Amino acid sequence: NAGVTQTPKFQVLKTGQSMTLQCAQDMNHNSMYWYRQDPGMGLRLIYYSASEGTTDKGEVPNGYNVSRLNKREFSLRLESAAPSQTSVYFCASSATMASAFYEQYFGPGTRLTVT
Amino acid sequence: DAKTTQPNSMESNEEEPVHLPCNHSTISGTDYIHWYRQLPSQGPEYVIHGLTSNVNNRMASLAIAEDRKSSTLILHRATLRDAAVYYCILDSGNTGKLIFGQGTTLQVKP
Repeated sequence: NAGVTQTPKFQVLKTGQSMTLQCAQDMNHNSMYWYRQDPGMGLRLIYYSASEGTTDKGEVPNGYNVSRLNKREFSLRLESAAPSQTSVYFCASSATMASAFYEQYFGPGTRLTVT
Repeated sequence: DAKTTQPNSMESNEEEPVHLPCNHSTISGTDYIHWYRQLPSQGPEYVIHGLTSNVNNRMASLAIAEDRKSSTLILHRATLRDAAVYYCILDSGNTGKLIFGQGTTLQVKP
């Protein structure tokens, strides 16, 4: 099992450019999440998908869109990148959103720099 | 959302026990206490979680105060590989929307 995989590992964008971060999991999990982590800070939830076909905003959704392509894949799109979006982005998945019973598994992260 | 308070950093010697504290004085009756850790340059990983009773697993133990206003993560024998940021998180148990604070950075000295 690869677990949660993310591509790319690193990316540099210019202000105004767009890009899509890809995430896939092979654990047959229903729920998937996107977080961002700024230097020296904890993770903040951007968007989540409780199950295939649903997505919802988290704590910091502005400037992002998501697509739950199928049960395995959950992508994060930056339509017009800004320097404030320089961060490390983590994707995670869990069997369901019932955190009382199921832990979240995290990917290795994508380090994004916007100049 | 109920908040947690953790020390910014702690040090430990290798092969000694480590007690990582977390205060959560505004915890509600339905909040679970979760611990995740983040090794350098990696995504977080689950450590342990509990509601009221103390919990043990292969990685650690979780001791929860009787009034649930604080808890302690116990690593029984710290190794160099345990050097990480440890996050104490409260969640009602059915939202999955974990809120990570700044955590405690644990240094383990050989």
